Amino acid sequence: AQRVTQPEKLLSVFKGAPVELKCNYSYSGSPELFWYVQYSRQRLQLLLRHISRESIKGFTADLNKGETSFHLKKPFAQEEDSAMYYCALRWNTGTASKLTFGTGTRLQVTL
Amino acid sequence: DTGVSQDPRHKITKRGQNVTFRCDPISEHNRLYWYRQTLGQGPEFLTYFQNEAQLEKSRLLSDRFSAERPKGSFSTLEIQRTEQGDSAMYLCASSFIGVTGELFFGEGSRLTVL
Repeated sequence: AQRVTQPEKLLSVFKGAPVELKCNYSYSGSPELFWYVQYSRQRLQLLLRHISRESIKGFTADLNKGETSFHLKKPFAQEEDSAMYYCALRWNTGTASKLTFGTGTRLQVTL
Repeated sequence: DTGVSQDPRHKITKRGQNVTFRCDPISEHNRLYWYRQTLGQGPEFLTYFQNEAQLEKSRLLSDRFSAERPKGSFSTLEIQRTEQGDSAMYLCASSFIGVTGELFFGEGSRLTVL
């Protein structure tokens, strides 16, 4: 079965410190992984997707198929990075393309 | 605002009552999804429409739940005979075929069943 695991419910870091939000997945097919973010009082929105290999707001994520991981990283945390982060796996059922989300990690950046 | 809109934003109801939520997707999006999110959990897939056709339903969607998308535009999610376990945030999302994976979410409809 498809599964996304985010082991940390809360990650607290100081401003300027590096950030790594962990995500592991379980999927027998070819995975497509995403990170979604929800800032306070805002809707859930896409942060980045692995196929784009892009850096958004200083965040990057590399798909490691050997370790079945897609960790989100940022070298220097900013206060505005404080939010809820969800890792998601996209998979096809034949009739639908669906996202399975992890339970989320709350990132708290303090001064 | 041309984003996904949901109504109502909050609904408090007594156990056994019926409730209906509405979702208006981004106008050119032909895919529409309903997710449910409970405290401490990520969004869980409920059902999916491509245009007006409901192509997939989760096992989470008991027979008390029904969703429609008439004419492939807005969608409604109805819960009959609500139970306390139905209390959750109900999220609607839409996307356009050809855009890989990006769902555009609404702000959600929070249901509290007393």
